[in-house]
Amino acid sequence: GAGVSQSPSNKVTEKGKDVELRCDPISGHTALYWYRQSLGQGLEFLIYFQGNSAPDKSGLPSDRFSAERTGGSVSTLTIQRTQQEDSAVYLCASSLLAGVAKNIQYFGAGTRLSVL
Amino acid sequence: QKEVEQNSGPLSVPEGAIASLNCTYSDRGSQSFFWYRQYSGKSPELIMSIYSNGDKEDGRFTAQLNKASQYVSLLIRDSQPSDSATYLCAVPSSSARQLTFGSGTQLTVLP
Repeated sequence: GAGVSQSPSNKVTEKGKDVELRCDPISGHTALYWYRQSLGQGLEFLIYFQGNSAPDKSGLPSDRFSAERTGGSVSTLTIQRTQQEDSAVYLCASSLLAGVAKNIQYFGAGTRLSVL
Repeated sequence: QKEVEQNSGPLSVPEGAIASLNCTYSDRGSQSFFWYRQYSGKSPELIMSIYSNGDKEDGRFTAQLNKASQYVSLLIRDSQPSDSATYLCAVPSSSARQLTFGSGTQLTVLP
């Protein structure tokens, strides 16, 4: 597609349920990032994928969070046993390269997660 | 100390005025700096990047970088109501992988 595509755009779930968020990066982009933006806050890095290399999971807040990227393209962020503090907008970004200072990241529209 | 700091605002300017947004960063080795604009309920959109000391102009936008003082600013000339948004300053991590964002400055341009 022309841009980074995320689905669903909105997700309402009950506390304790598992959720899956999907990201389809820009075609040809090898790097994919997940960020979280809580209400009124800046973006918080969660995880990063680069090609077939092991992902950088250093930003994941707990072991309830995991992500995978299949075939070097689509990525799924999974949150298990959701908690109310997980409510936020989850943003996915992709870039042509990574590890390069001038690397530009392009963002999807995000998934707004609400945990009741 | 946060790695990237911005005045959270809100900042209000009248239409046609110059809006000045500031950002400071802690990593003296940082090489690249990005300004993203985020409308309410929308995703961040890159509007400026700057890599060298000095000014970089693009239309009504000017980014200014001073590595010695570790600050980067964004000037918006002839501000329009459509410029009303949150402006995020972003700096790559030391590994140049993920971006570290400031908390954003909310700008309102009053008609």
